[in-house]
Amino acid sequence: DTGVSQNPRHKITKRGQNVTFRCDPISEHNRLYWYRQTLGQGPEFLTYFQNEAQLEKSRLLSDRFSAERPKGSFSTLEIQRTEQGDSAMYLCASSPRLGQGRNEQFFGPGTRLTVL
Amino acid sequence: SQELEQSPQSLIVQEGKNLTINCTSSKTLYGLYWYKQKYGEGLIFLMMLQKGGEEKSHEKITAKLDEKKQQSSLHITASQPSHAGIYLCGADITSGTYKYIFGTGTRLKVLA
Repeated sequence: DTGVSQNPRHKITKRGQNVTFRCDPISEHNRLYWYRQTLGQGPEFLTYFQNEAQLEKSRLLSDRFSAERPKGSFSTLEIQRTEQGDSAMYLCASSPRLGQGRNEQFFGPGTRLTVL
Repeated sequence: SQELEQSPQSLIVQEGKNLTINCTSSKTLYGLYWYKQKYGEGLIFLMMLQKGGEEKSHEKITAKLDEKKQQSSLHITASQPSHAGIYLCGADITSGTYKYIFGTGTRLKVLA
């Protein structure tokens, strides 16, 4: 399967703990995105990378959140000192193209985080 | 305020019926993307529209982007239970950036 993969698929943690999610994009896709989705809402943009450079971060991404893409391939999203409000589905997407309006993104299955 | 409005929020139709989902923006859309999502899963790409007046079809699903590029509709003909899910429109609304904004989704249920 050459699609976007995410691990783990589900994560249950206690408040205050740190969690890390991984995303493996489609090979050779140079753009990688993280979104967060809560129940009944559409995905909300968190951050994106072009190769290893993090080009944009949403205001939703507090200081407790950090994302990396060290070699321009897979990416990790870490949440420190988790709070119950962090409970959501975290989606990763990758995109092969550049250019205005031409930005088809391919999504992974998501990591569902539950903070108790 | 929601930059991308979808309507209706939910829809229940009898199998075989046609239906339409709308996606409206107050800003020009540089690219409009339709996705389908099953509960608890990722998004499956359906179609992308870029030019004003553009229309695309795939099997029984047709999507259109209006001339002003501020509204799109997704039409399903002769719906089937397999069409059930959440339909999301996503869009580039700012030239030069590559992040999406999404609508809140339309939950479709098709009764057999």
